[in-house]
Amino acid sequence: QQQVKQSPQSLIVQKGGISIINCAYENTAFDYFPWYQQFPGKGPALLIAIRPDVSEKKEGRFTISFNKSAKQFSLHIMDSQPGDSATYFCAASGYNTDKLIFGTGTRLQVFP
Amino acid sequence: GAVVSQHPSWVICKSGTSVKIECRSLDFQATTMFWYRQFPKQSLMLMATSNEGSKATYEQGVEKDKFLINHASLTLSTLTVTSAHPEDSSFYICSARRASGSTDTQYFGPGTRLTVL
Repeated sequence: QQQVKQSPQSLIVQKGGISIINCAYENTAFDYFPWYQQFPGKGPALLIAIRPDVSEKKEGRFTISFNKSAKQFSLHIMDSQPGDSATYFCAASGYNTDKLIFGTGTRLQVFP
Repeated sequence: GAVVSQHPSWVICKSGTSVKIECRSLDFQATTMFWYRQFPKQSLMLMATSNEGSKATYEQGVEKDKFLINHASLTLSTLTVTSAHPEDSSFYICSARRASGSTDTQYFGPGTRLTVL
């Protein structure tokens, strides 16, 4: 129930394309869903986050889509660039826990 | 804002020695700090949650006597790996959560690469 399932494990996208990463959760007590970007040898950096009261949130080229009934959320990276090549983690937390539950990560490679 | 630093960024030590890693929130106060461990090409694994002025809460399977955590102030938490062994070699990352404002967000440090010979 505490798991967050993330797919795909790896993703290869051409420059200018759309990268889509999906996550699913079981615990309906989760109410905060952030996405983190991590470059090799660095700590994760917060990209964008969403709460269940909205179905979509956009910041620049990054968009989170949230489907509360399906208990799924996804990250869309528009106009993907080689500089976006990194590992992306979805996560979730809720009012009954201060811990972040992380997905398994998606390694994104954007080729020019 | 919301910058978290870690020191050192990397450390190499001999088996049996102890290593201390510092985590600081530079521009905000953090009531709660978290310590994670990450193996190559894997996700972050939460080791413990520390609250300022109280004992840390360790996740199942994490030895509290081996991984000592001290959260002495609202801007500093330390992780000491005692009697380190090669299997303790890993990437250790801390995160901090604000004391006020948006308290859900965890801000991560740059990580510390520990290599035990």
